[in-house]
Amino acid sequence: DGGITQSPKYLFRKEGQNVTLSCEQNLNHDAMYWYRQDPGQGLRLIYYSQIVNDFQKGDIAEGYSVSREKKESFPLTVTSAQKNPTAFYLCASSPPPDSMVYGYTFGSGTRLTVV
Amino acid sequence: GENVEQHPSTLSVQEGDSAVIKCTYSDSASNYFPWYKQELGKGPQLIIDIRSNVGEKKDQRIAVTLNKTAKHFSLHITETQPEDSAVYFCAASKRIKAAGNKLTFGGGTRVLVKP
Repeated sequence: DGGITQSPKYLFRKEGQNVTLSCEQNLNHDAMYWYRQDPGQGLRLIYYSQIVNDFQKGDIAEGYSVSREKKESFPLTVTSAQKNPTAFYLCASSPPPDSMVYGYTFGSGTRLTVV
Repeated sequence: GENVEQHPSTLSVQEGDSAVIKCTYSDSASNYFPWYKQELGKGPQLIIDIRSNVGEKKDQRIAVTLNKTAKHFSLHITETQPEDSAVYFCAASKRIKAAGNKLTFGGGTRVLVKP
């Protein structure tokens, strides 16, 4: 079955550490996205990529970095510059805007906690 | 940029009653409005969507209405069941090539269906 796989499901980060969250999709989607979700809050866009080797900052990109070297993969690094990284991180992908199929497919998320 | 407001933030209904969630958006160029359901600890799943050339769409117990003039859209769930308990998110985007398919989400509505 096609879908998006996020790993790990739970991640613990020490102060001052960088951590990388994995996101892999086998849907052949061009576009991929990273969202952050805080308890009781909506989804805020961190970064997105519409094509391989290209990505744009979203609304809350500070303290995060991404790469898009392969169509299937869009890893997110939470750097030590992100002062409040504890949150639920969601990766998504979508077909191109001119596709007949609409809508995002989300992964099951990574819960990151600072210890 | 686009701003999406969602109300109410929490909604408690008796099993069998109807639930209505309302969203407003700010960018008149937005033309695609999906609704997502998120169960605890999982990623959101698309449940229904509507495009700007359609005023209403129905799928079994779920319906969505769109008023482009007033820039608001609503989700209606009829004959609610306990498994409808979840967080629901509305979203809006401009499905044009330059913008990709970047969704802006509302803040979410936590729906509790009481048996």
